Amino acid sequence: DAMVIQNPRYQVTQFGKPVTLSCSQTLNHNVMYWYQQKSSQAPKLLFHYYDKDFNNEADTPDNFQSRRPNTSFCFLDIRSPGLGDAAMYLCATSRALNQPQHFGDGTRLSIL
Amino acid sequence: AQRVTQPEKLLSVFKGAPVELKCNYSYSGSPELFWYVQYSRQRLQLLLRHISRESIKGFTADLNKGETSFHLKKPFAQEEDSAMYYCALNGSGGSNYKLTFGKGTLLTVNP
Repeated sequence: DAMVIQNPRYQVTQFGKPVTLSCSQTLNHNVMYWYQQKSSQAPKLLFHYYDKDFNNEADTPDNFQSRRPNTSFCFLDIRSPGLGDAAMYLCATSRALNQPQHFGDGTRLSIL
Repeated sequence: AQRVTQPEKLLSVFKGAPVELKCNYSYSGSPELFWYVQYSRQRLQLLLRHISRESIKGFTADLNKGETSFHLKKPFAQEEDSAMYYCALNGSGGSNYKLTFGKGTLLTVNP
């Protein structure tokens, strides 16, 4: 009965090779978020979509982009992954911006 | 700017002992505070939010605006409470509408 589903759970890519992480939701929530969490650190917001409106955090590297083709799906694209991009990537959804967020299991990204 | 501080990276207590996980925040407006929990091999999930003023799994948290704190408390810890706990703040309005997490406290409840 998972409501926020992230695929894959583990992703390995090569340095500089583009990679896409996927998130889907069955909650019909308006907002979808992507967070980056490095070891022993707090989750850090990269960007979010409110419906089709994209909101990028000021300190999110240009290397990171996102797509939301419909309400249910949201993708995180890393154009040229560097070693520093190895992390857990969390997707979350909420009904509105001030409402509690529901998280997926995350995708752990490794860079070779 | 909004900031959340959890001063304890690790906290270890014995079963049945009281537990308090500390959280302090910095925010100029009216914040909304949350506690999220992540049990081993599970996803991050909401434990409680300050506006609900409810007790979940025996945990309570009171927002103290004077001390800018939102400490999480439970009078009698259980082994199943062992998890990573994150305090989070949601600002209000405009670009402040985002969840800022503390670095988390790993709680271990020993038998």
